[in-house]
Amino acid sequence: AQKITQTQPGMFVQEKEAVTLDCTYDTSDQSYGLFWYKQPSSGEMIFLIYQGSYDEQNATEGRYSLNFQKARKSANLVISASQLGDSAMYFCAMRGANTGNQFYFGTGTSLTVIP
Amino acid sequence: NAGVTQTPKFQVLKTGQSMTLQCAQDMNHNSMYWYRQDPGMGLRLIYYSASEGTTDKGEVPNGYNVSRLNKREFSLRLESAAPSQTSVYFCSARTKDYYSNQPQHFGDGTRLSIL
Repeated sequence: AQKITQTQPGMFVQEKEAVTLDCTYDTSDQSYGLFWYKQPSSGEMIFLIYQGSYDEQNATEGRYSLNFQKARKSANLVISASQLGDSAMYFCAMRGANTGNQFYFGTGTSLTVIP
Repeated sequence: NAGVTQTPKFQVLKTGQSMTLQCAQDMNHNSMYWYRQDPGMGLRLIYYSASEGTTDKGEVPNGYNVSRLNKREFSLRLESAAPSQTSVYFCSARTKDYYSNQPQHFGDGTRLSIL
């Protein structure tokens, strides 16, 4: 069974500081993909970053990076130089090789950036 | 540049009424999905369609039916609405390449309240 766990319901970070949002996953698949989405208060789901299970390097996209630790089955999102606009819900999701087109989402982390 | 369009954006129903949520995508993607989002539970997959003419159950299919009318459109039907189906519903679309890094592209959601 595939499962995504996000253990931080809410996080606070000072503006301009870095923050790490945790995500652990459970899968028996050898090939899988991990995705992070941002959901601002307006409600839309915005794709941020992707990490493949066979990728040797941690993914980076601008101020977003993934701390991928395959042995620990964790894929933590790091946001550097936080901005007020980063305040949102953040969801980790996984696609497994044996689940085809199905995605599994975590319960999300609410991030608040403090000025 | 619409991407994924959901209609309606808001709807209030009475228990027992029926309703169809519409979703259309203009990205020529093969796979489409319906999720529901409830507080503290992340996104849960209701149904998905890997390609035109096929549909499969997700995690929470009970009380719902779907139709993949053509490649562009994927509708979700509540035959007899129940208060437990009060939720925010998201439709998404994705390329068919199962193992790629392509994310799902989401619509803006439909807020459904059942009294």
